Amino acid sequence: AQRVTQPEKLLSVFKGAPVELKCNYSYSGSPELFWYVQYSRQRLQLLLRHISRESIKGFTADLNKGETSFHLKKPFAQEEDSAMYYCALAGAGSYQLTFGKGTKLSVIP
Amino acid sequence: DVKVTQSSRYLVKRTGEKVFLECVQDMDHENMFWYRQDPGLGLRLIYFSYDVKMKEKGDIPEGYSVSREKKERFSLILESASTNQTSMYLCASSYDRQYFGPGTRLTVT
Repeated sequence: AQRVTQPEKLLSVFKGAPVELKCNYSYSGSPELFWYVQYSRQRLQLLLRHISRESIKGFTADLNKGETSFHLKKPFAQEEDSAMYYCALAGAGSYQLTFGKGTKLSVIP
Repeated sequence: DVKVTQSSRYLVKRTGEKVFLECVQDMDHENMFWYRQDPGLGLRLIYFSYDVKMKEKGDIPEGYSVSREKKERFSLILESASTNQTSMYLCASSYDRQYFGPGTRLTVT
């Protein structure tokens, strides 16, 4: 069975401080990993996916197969980064996503 | 831009009522999904469909059914609503990634 674990329910950081949102997964094959974000009163939207290896809004995430992790990082947090962040996994060849329970990021001015 | 719409933003129903939640997408996607989103539990997959008239159970299908008569429309049905089905319901459609609707906040009293 596949599983996604986000150990922090809530993460508070000061503006300008580095951010790391943790995500660990359990899957026997080669998964595809995603980070989704939900800003207040907005719909859930894709932030980034590991296969594209791009940086969106200053966020990056690297898939570490050895540690089965896909942590989301940003060097300098901004107030507009305050949101709910979900890590998600799709199994090889699957359209289904398994989501973590989410981490609420609060950036303190 | 992909558009996923849901029939209602807010809905209040009584225990025992039959409830229909509708989702429409305009991008000719084959795959559509229904999730419920609860604080501390993240997103949990209820049902998904990968083609017209096709459906597959997700992680928490009990108490729900679905209907997909047309490619663009995916309906979630609560046969007899109960208070523990009070939740935010999210619909998504996908081709290479999932696009989410705005959500329906259902309250069952």
